[in-house]
Amino acid sequence: EVQLVQSGAEVKKPGESLKISCQGSGYSFTSYWIGWVRQMPGKGLEWMGIIFPGDSDARYSPSFQGQVTMSVDKSISTAYLQWSSLKASDTATFYCARQGGRGGMDVWGQGTTVTVSS
Amino acid sequence: EIVLTQSPGTLSLSPGERATLSCRASQSVRNSYLAWYQQKPGQAPRLLIFSASSRATGIPDRFSGSGSGTDFTLTISRLEPEDFAVYYCQQYGISPVTFGQGTKVEVK
Repeated sequence: EVQLVQSGAEVKKPGESLKISCQGSGYSFTSYWIGWVRQMPGKGLEWMGIIFPGDSDARYSPSFQGQVTMSVDKSISTAYLQWSSLKASDTATFYCARQGGRGGMDVWGQGTTVTVSS
Repeated sequence: EIVLTQSPGTLSLSPGERATLSCRASQSVRNSYLAWYQQKPGQAPRLLIFSASSRATGIPDRFSGSGSGTDFTLTISRLEPEDFAVYYCQQYGISPVTFGQGTKVEVK
């Protein structure tokens, strides 16, 4: 079964750092782009960026450039999204998703909820 | 960046009725690279349609997509109880990828 499994919920304080993960299985992880999508509480979907696990080529939405860092460890089929200094406004659910070969994001992780509060 | 505007914001319908959802782009979507997703509360989105009109694997044929250029439509021919959800369009033809704000399909 093709799946993406994300790390568990996090509760952090403003200024702290964080790295969440997304592990793929059931397919060739290095052959498909992985995207990240933010959903703030009660709001819609926002595309953050995309990374190719084969060579770590990463492209960011201008809205998120400089705010987060995407990375991968292809030896364990895992993509990461990290923050160096969290803000309360980073409170959201973050999804990873595979960019399908025929178009669209065809496989999604279950989401990681990040709460940033003092 | 391409702005996608979905209408209506909320659609109130009964099971068995036809749902027509609109997605309008601020500029032409290259190659009709337009996808539709369904999201239910507490769940991740699910891909329904890609390339404007191609159904994703396992999606029932009551879901259909159409359109090109700047105007796209998702049609649900006969609403089933499990179809009441929020629907998002997404363009992936021009970077950055963008989503519409969503249309909620609710039970009338």
